[in-house]
Amino acid sequence: NAGVTQTPKFQVLKTGQSMTLQCAQDMNHEYMSWYRQDPGMGLRLIHYSVGAGITDQGEVPNGYNVSRSTTEDFPLRLLSAAPSQTSVYFCASSYDSTPSYEQYFGPGTRLTVT
Amino acid sequence: AQRVTQPEKLLSVFKGAPVELKCNYSYSGSPELFWYVQYSRQRLQLLLRHISRESIKGFTADLNKGETSFHLKKPFAQEEDSAMYYCALSPWGGGKLIFGQGTELSVKP
Repeated sequence: NAGVTQTPKFQVLKTGQSMTLQCAQDMNHEYMSWYRQDPGMGLRLIHYSVGAGITDQGEVPNGYNVSRSTTEDFPLRLLSAAPSQTSVYFCASSYDSTPSYEQYFGPGTRLTVT
Repeated sequence: AQRVTQPEKLLSVFKGAPVELKCNYSYSGSPELFWYVQYSRQRLQLLLRHISRESIKGFTADLNKGETSFHLKKPFAQEEDSAMYYCALSPWGGGKLIFGQGTELSVKP
C-alpha cells in the first residue's frame, strides 16, 4: 500500500493564480481531510469529507474548495492564490470519522505564493 | 471554545534525562486526546492516544480531567526522540483533529 500520497511536493505560485493540490489514498478510507501547517500555529483543518460526495468546512476554509467524487481522491483547489496561503499542506485519511481510528497523513505539499 | 495549548515551543534536554511535554485543552465534554510526532523529513504520525492507554517508545500520557491536561512523559530521553510533537483533541463523532502549536524536543548527547 502506498498509503496517503500528495502531489506536488513543492509549488510556487504567483498571487491570483489557481491550482489543485492532489491527495489520494489506497486504504479504502471513508474519512479524508486537509490541514495547513504554519509556524507557531500547529495544524489547522481546512476541509474534510466523511465519504464520497460529502464535504464540509473546517476551521480555515476561505480561499479553498474541495470535492470528493471517489473514495480514493480528495483534491484541494486554491481559487485565487494569496501570499497568506503560503504554508505546508497535509492531507490525512482514516477508516471513518470516529476517534477510535488512526488518521494517516501524507508527506505534505510546500506551497509558496509570491 | 475548543482549544489545545502547548506552552513550550522548544524543549531541550540531555540524553537520559526525564522529559515532560505539556498539553492543556479546553473542551466542554469528553474529547479523545492524542499525541502525534513528526521526525525530521518524515510525515506526521500517531504516537499514542488516550483511548488505548498504551505506552509507545517509552512514552506515556495521562489524562487529568480536573486540570484538563494530557502531558507526555518519558523517564529517560534518547537522541532519536528529537522531533516535533503535537498534542491533538478530537471531539467524539466529529473526526476532526484540533492541534496544539507543537513542541520541538531536542535531545542532546
